[in-house]
Amino acid sequence: EVQLVESGGGLVQPGGSLRLSCAASGFTFSSYAMSWVRQAPGKGLEWVSAISGSGGSTYYADSVKGRFTISRDNSKNTLYLQMNSLRAEDTAVYYCAKDRAHPDYGDYEIYYYYYMDVWGKGTTVTVSS
Amino acid sequence: AIRMTQSPSSLSASTGDRVTITCRASQGISSYLAWYQQKPGKAPKLLIYAASTLQSGVPSRFSGSGSGTDFTLTISCLQSEDFATYYCQQYYSYPRTFGPGTKVDIK
Repeated sequence: EVQLVESGGGLVQPGGSLRLSCAASGFTFSSYAMSWVRQAPGKGLEWVSAISGSGGSTYYADSVKGRFTISRDNSKNTLYLQMNSLRAEDTAVYYCAKDRAHPDYGDYEIYYYYYMDVWGKGTTVTVSS
Repeated sequence: AIRMTQSPSSLSASTGDRVTITCRASQGISSYLAWYQQKPGKAPKLLIYAASTLQSGVPSRFSGSGSGTDFTLTISCLQSEDFATYYCQQYYSYPRTFGPGTKVDIK
């Protein structure tokens, strides 16, 4: 069974840092891209960041670019989100999710598009003084 | 970034009703659209990907359609466990973006 368990959330002051972790099990972690998605209290879902299976490609929402860093340790089956310069508006539940590829068979090569098929239960980050 | 809109933002329905939710993308996204269901205090759950492909284990009363900019999620016969918030999400380009959600509650 695929399982994703987030940890590392908590209360942090504005301007502070926090590192979230997501422990994965039940699948070959290194073969899958992974994502972080957040949800502010009473609000909708916001995609935050994604990383390829090898870790060689990373993507970010404009709202976190330059402040957050996604990474992974495939030897530990763990995904990370390093969050620096935290702001009140970063307060949210942070979910990690496993990506699944949707291939597009072009004339000469295959393109891959990724959606999130399995989600963890989330970890709460509160930024407040 | 591609902007996703949903309508309605909320609806009230009864068990057994047919419910349709619309999602629109600000530019063409082919069929790179997913639908998620979220219940209060829970993580989102994938219902449909590639605009119309049902995720394994999802009841067949859920269906999706559309391509390009206009998409729909239909629940053919609403059950009590379907009362939740539904989000569409494009994965055609980064940043991936979600619609604002449609809350389905009990009439």
